[in-house]
Amino acid sequence: DTAVSQTPKYLVTQMGNDKSIKCEQNLGHDTMYWYKQDSKKFLKIMFSYNNKELIINETVPNRFSPKSPDKAHLNLHINSLELGDSAVYFCASSLDPRDNEQFFGPGTRLTVL
Amino acid sequence: GEDVEQSLFLSVREGDSSVINCTYTDSSSTYLYWYKQEPGAGLQLLTYIFSNMDMKQDQRLTVLLNKKDKHLSLRIADTQTGDSAIYFCAESHQGGKLIFGQGTELSVKP
Repeated sequence: DTAVSQTPKYLVTQMGNDKSIKCEQNLGHDTMYWYKQDSKKFLKIMFSYNNKELIINETVPNRFSPKSPDKAHLNLHINSLELGDSAVYFCASSLDPRDNEQFFGPGTRLTVL
Repeated sequence: GEDVEQSLFLSVREGDSSVINCTYTDSSSTYLYWYKQEPGAGLQLLTYIFSNMDMKQDQRLTVLLNKKDKHLSLRIADTQTGDSAIYFCAESHQGGKLIFGQGTELSVKP
């Protein structure tokens, strides 16, 4: 009965490839987020969706495209992967944008070779 | 601007108290948070404090907020080896955006 789940847990790929990371939450939350954690553990928000609509879009290269097919899912597609994309990507969810109690998934460690 | 700062490392002995400090910049933040990240895991919300409070206590955890100095601290009483982790403070912004500090790695020695 995992609250926020992500797949895959590990992803190793070559530069230039396109890959997707999936996130699902079974908490009935309306808002979902993607964060990137770099090698120095610095954690930064990338996107936020509320009820399938984009509400936060930080300065992220347009190679990153989030997609929310429904409220319970927020997937992250990355085109033309670069070495600097190597990081741990965390999905999170909250009841709504005003509720800052965010529940985090276990993370996806992406390694670009 | 958006800037949350923490010291990177703290080492304590088991049974001692740990105090992790954080400074933030946005005085309009409604809530301030402490998250814990164990190795290889996601972030887990430990506690939070509403901006009109000075202190919040939750079992072994005490959060102190000094709004004038924009300073937040987390005190862990009777620190155990299981408390070893990275602790992040975060301030809330509009739309659910959280701005995190760099994280403080707490090492608890037996």
